Amino acid sequence: GENVEQHPSTLSVQEGDSAVIKCTYSDSASNYFPWYKQELGKRPQLIIDIRSNVGEKKDQRIAVTLNKTAKHFSLHITETQPEDSAVYFCAASLGYNNNDMRFGAGTRLTVKP
Amino acid sequence: DSGVTQTPKHLITATGQRVTLRCSPRSGDLSVYWYQQSLDQGLQFLIQYYNGEERAKGNILERFSAQQFPDLHSELNLSSLELGDSALYFCASTSGPSGNEQFFGPGTRLTVL
Repeated sequence: GENVEQHPSTLSVQEGDSAVIKCTYSDSASNYFPWYKQELGKRPQLIIDIRSNVGEKKDQRIAVTLNKTAKHFSLHITETQPEDSAVYFCAASLGYNNNDMRFGAGTRLTVKP
Repeated sequence: DSGVTQTPKHLITATGQRVTLRCSPRSGDLSVYWYQQSLDQGLQFLIQYYNGEERAKGNILERFSAQQFPDLHSELNLSSLELGDSALYFCASTSGPSGNEQFFGPGTRLTVL
């Protein structure tokens, strides 16, 4: 099955700086890559996703890039704010069935004011 | 609010006991996924149901079982509980087998004493 690795496990940045979180996956057939944000004590919520027919997707301060050849994808957050502090999870799935979503171990992002 | 509901919110029980966690997906969603999140850990995929049928199995122990009923709500049964089963259990739903974003419920926090 799919195996997703996520780095780093913790990330601390100064407010206004950029943050980058990287993930790799093992199954070359995976074609759907969502990113979830989980605030303390709350449910994970989708913040952005990308499909394998797209190399990059941007939504305001958040962007995701995908390199299918290298089987890795990254989350980029620019102009970080304290409210960006949370745990971020990447995931990968086959997409068309979406029945085996595998999550990375998570990155705890802390944005210092 | 994602539209996914889970009950109970908290559950405290003793080792060796059996509990049932309940999940109601968003209106119209046919797929239900169950995840386990231990303290400061990632999301471990347990099992997925689509329209009443088991669709995929992840790292689910034999002591755990699940089902999805005709009204599409799902139950996760955990038996012979051990201390290590203490965790946050999330369910998530999508519209179908080719659903994309998974909408997470608020979770059930299980504490085994």
